[in-house]
Amino acid sequence: DAGITQSPRHKVTETGTPVTLRCHQTENHRYMYWYRQDPGHGLRLIHYSYGVKDTDKGEVSDGYSVSRSKTEDFLLTLESATSSQTSVYFCAISVGRFSYEQYFGPGTRLTVT
Amino acid sequence: AQTVTQSQPEMSVQEAETVTLSCTYDTSENNYYLFWYKQPPSRQMILVIRQEAYKQQNATENRFSVNFQKAAKSFSLKISDSQLGDTAMYFCAFMKPHNNDMRFGAGTRLTVKP
Repeated sequence: DAGITQSPRHKVTETGTPVTLRCHQTENHRYMYWYRQDPGHGLRLIHYSYGVKDTDKGEVSDGYSVSRSKTEDFLLTLESATSSQTSVYFCAISVGRFSYEQYFGPGTRLTVT
Repeated sequence: AQTVTQSQPEMSVQEAETVTLSCTYDTSENNYYLFWYKQPPSRQMILVIRQEAYKQQNATENRFSVNFQKAAKSFSLKISDSQLGDTAMYFCAFMKPHNNDMRFGAGTRLTVKP
């Protein structure tokens, strides 16, 4: 158990509304990640963070922004949700000596209607 | 960009038998990491096994083992003595060191039948 929680676990929202998903960790790991999971694509990296206020884009970052003001929290924001952003969102952290093993939170199912 | 291919969308195996899931990847790198993740119906992503490319010895974790063929860019997962609890989606993943961009395959849905 890597001590990762995600909130909310489920959310239904309307097109055009802003949405923020929260990832919280309890063990002060430096690296945190946001992925989305869609059928036929596995998981794809949206953004990641390598420290407080240090973030970078992943493979599918368009339409998403992130913030990390505290080590334990990594927020993912959809500024104006679209139906194509309906997905399951996973947060992950890196552990291990060389920070390459990733452990995942329980996921958030987001539906944009 | 690195790509990961899992050519078997679905597989099934009888309880107590052995099954092998295939994964191939494309990279020009010499050093990298490979992973298998399991996702049961609970949706939780669980790390099953990892392999460092510089290690020739295949990784094993209890009933799970890999066949890592670096020249062929192949990384298959063997599950021995399959159990009902092994029913899940299995994802192969690739990562370069110090890159933080883990690339996943599309997954293989494994069903273990009693």
